[in-house]
Amino acid sequence: EVQLVESGGDLVQPGGSLRLSCAASAFNFNNYHMYWIRQDPGKGLVWVSRINQDGSATIYADSVKGRFTISRDNAKNTLFLQMTSLRVEDTGVYYCAKDGGRSNPDYWGQGTLVTVSS
Amino acid sequence: DVVMTQSPLSLPVTPGEPASISCRSSQSLLHDNGYHYLFWYLQKPGQSPQLLMYWISNRASGVPDRFSGSGSGTDFTLKISRVEAEDVGIYYCMQGLHIPLTFGQGTKVEVK
Repeated sequence: EVQLVESGGDLVQPGGSLRLSCAASAFNFNNYHMYWIRQDPGKGLVWVSRINQDGSATIYADSVKGRFTISRDNAKNTLFLQMTSLRVEDTGVYYCAKDGGRSNPDYWGQGTLVTVSS
Repeated sequence: DVVMTQSPLSLPVTPGEPASISCRSSQSLLHDNGYHYLFWYLQKPGQSPQLLMYWISNRASGVPDRFSGSGSGTDFTLKISRVEAEDVGIYYCMQGLHIPLTFGQGTKVEVK
């Protein structure tokens, strides 16, 4: 069964940086777009970023553009999110998700908590 | 951005009874290929979201047939024919046609 395991979440001060990782298994990782999606403390879901199969095309939500960078290592079946200049409003659980082939996430990881606070 | 509006936001249900959730988008979700890029997810307590329905009315793998989806254009509905205790959680609609992908606020389904 598809497995996505996120890591790297932590408590960080405003202006700080963090790198999230997502280890994928049980599917052909390099055949699929991948996503990062944040769940706010109030439970709202916010799409953050998407990367294509070979990493040549990325797209971001306006709120994170210029601060976050999505990347992937297909040799290691791993997705990354480099987060810089973090803001309080970036706080939440970050999920990585696999594309279902219809411009939608189908499988989601268990999430990793990022807390931005002084 | 496309705004997705769900109603109700809270839905107390009685096991065995039907339930219905509405989702409205601020723009059409109809792709040139004829499919509406409207999806439903369920987040059970303590779990990550799971895909329920794709393209309005197609059940994802393993989803029971008591779940059904309908609608077109900008108005969509998720129905549960007979609610079971395992159906509690937060239901989200999501549009996948326009970037950024956007989600509804969520509808919390609880057993009465």
